[in-house]
Amino acid sequence: GENVEQHPSTLSVQEGDSAVIKCTYSDSASNYFPWYKQELGKRPQLIIDIRSNVGEKKDQRIAVTLNKTAKHFSLHITETQPEDSAVYFCAASEGNQFYFGTGTSLTVIP
Amino acid sequence: GAVVSQHPSRVICKSGTSVKIECRSLDFQATTMFWYRQFPKKSLMLMATSNEGSKATYEQGVEKDKFLINHASLTLSTLTVTSAHPEDSSFYICSARASPGANVLTFGAGSRLTVL
Repeated sequence: GENVEQHPSTLSVQEGDSAVIKCTYSDSASNYFPWYKQELGKRPQLIIDIRSNVGEKKDQRIAVTLNKTAKHFSLHITETQPEDSAVYFCAASEGNQFYFGTGTSLTVIP
Repeated sequence: GAVVSQHPSRVICKSGTSVKIECRSLDFQATTMFWYRQFPKKSLMLMATSNEGSKATYEQGVEKDKFLINHASLTLSTLTVTSAHPEDSSFYICSARASPGANVLTFGAGSRLTVL
């Protein structure tokens, strides 16, 4: 089955700096890679996703890159703000199951 | 957008009792719902996949007789924690998708279960 690894587990950045979270996957059949943001005690919310036929996708301060050959994808947050502080999860799906990374706790220091 | 309602948000029960958690898709029909367990500051652990009208598929290590899942309609799936024990205390979250192979998951708000 699929194995998704996520790094780092915790990340602290100064407000205004960039944050990068990386994930790797093992199953070459995976073709959809969403990222979720979960604030304390709340539900995970989809913030951006990318499909396997695209190498990069950007939405304002958030971008995701995908390297199919190396089987890794990354989340990039630029100009971080305190409200970006949350736990971020990556996931990989082959169309049936979703496999989640272990999460990254991001703290943006004002 | 798609909305998934999960109820109750918090429940406290005595050891040995059973607790039912509901997951409803409010504005779409969910052919598949997923149930997760989440420990503090940990990732989402998939417990089972629930397909409407069929038996749930449980992940390895999850006791199907303890965590009963029913998906009787296209808008409702339930998770019943039977004979609950303190170690079952956790945050349980459901998610749903509209059709087989649909990529977008919509999550419920989660249910915090505390077993005394």
